[in-house]
Order: sequence, then structure tokens, then C-alpha cells
Amino acid sequence: DADVTQTPRNRITKTGKRIMLECSQTKGHDRMYWYRQDPGLGLQLIYYSFDVKDINKGEISDGYSVSRQAQAKFSLSLESAIPNQTALYFCATSDSGAPAYNEQFFGPGTRLTVL
Amino acid sequence: KQEVTQIPAALSVPEGENLVLNCSFTDSAIYNLQWFRQDPGKGLTSLLLIQSSQREQTSGRLNASLDKSSGRSTLYIAASQPGDSATYLCAVRGGSEKLVFGKGTKLTVNP
Repeated sequence: DADVTQTPRNRITKTGKRIMLECSQTKGHDRMYWYRQDPGLGLQLIYYSFDVKDINKGEISDGYSVSRQAQAKFSLSLESAIPNQTALYFCATSDSGAPAYNEQFFGPGTRLTVL
Repeated sequence: KQEVTQIPAALSVPEGENLVLNCSFTDSAIYNLQWFRQDPGKGLTSLLLIQSSQREQTSGRLNASLDKSSGRSTLYIAASQPGDSATYLCAVRGGSEKLVFGKGTKLTVNP
């Protein structure tokens, strides 16, 4: 079984709809991250969480919100989807303790299309 | 603001060739540097992580080096194979705990 899973893997939605992307991990890591990847722009950090009660904005958090329901679960919501949020979304995890030194491990991604 | 650059953007080599991928970063105050592989439409696979105090890390046919003072890292792939074809991403982590990614080098290894 994959250590970091994301659901759904693909999603097509319409402008204005609220959607949620979910991430679960079995690695026992304390830190979780959400990134988006756009062609030609690389990966950009949306939100990150160091533990259940510690959530931080990344570079491009506008239009997004997150919830850390448990150490193993971190969900990303688009409150009112717009076409320029069409992208590939990745969840990642890391362990802050030595010797892992925050090496990040990524999920398989969710391809989101907003029409 | 940290910026990470990877050159070239694309590279095509014949099978069996040894090759080097380059990564440069503007702020040398990094905590660590991580190399990833991404296959088309797929997630990122962590290849190697180098701490700021280290000079290199090796895993199989891969060797990554780090020269923090000059803001450079290289990923050396020995005896390349068609299965190595993918996009290779470099990312650095500074004191802000966030990874800053380069845009990647797309590698094609021809049989």
C-alpha cells in the first residue's frame, strides 16, 4: 500500500463549486504539505502543517483553505473554484526528527480541472 | 527570496552515457537539498537528500554533490538507462522550513 494517498486522483468541476481534496499518510510523519504544479511554473507551496494545531500559509494560499483532521489526514478545500486553479495538486509529508531531517515524500497527485 | 535554477531544461542522451544534471540556488543559507524524479503525470519520488553539512550522497548509480558556498548541486547518473527517462527536480530547504523547487530537467535516454 502507498504511504501517502490522495483522493480523488482526477476531478473535473465547474466554476464556483466547492471541492475538497484529501490526503492520508501511514508514514507516521508529523508534517504535511499541499503543493500545486503548473506547467512551466514548477511546484508552489499552498499550505503546510507542522502538527494538528499548527497550520501555516504558503506562497499561494489565496482561494484555498486546509484542515488537519488528525496527524495522518490533511485536506485542501477550494471554497469557490475558478479556472486558474486548474493544476496538478500534491500532498507531501515529512518527519521533523533526526535522521529524516524533513525529507519530503509525495503522494501521487490529484489532477483538477475547473471548467 | 530563494531562487532555484536547473540547467538544461531538457537533455537527450544515448543509453549507457554518464551524465550530470545541474542545480543552482541564490541563497546559500540552506538546511538541506533534495533531488526528486517525476514521471509524466505522476508524483515525485525522492532520490537523495543532502544535509548542508554534507558534500555528497550516493544511491546506486546516482551521486549528488553539494557546494553550499557557491550555491550549486549536481546529480550524476552513471550508465544511463531508458528507464531513467523522467523529469528531475532539485529543491532546497532554508530556515523557513519550506522547500523551494527548480523547474526541472527533462531527461530522455535513448535506447
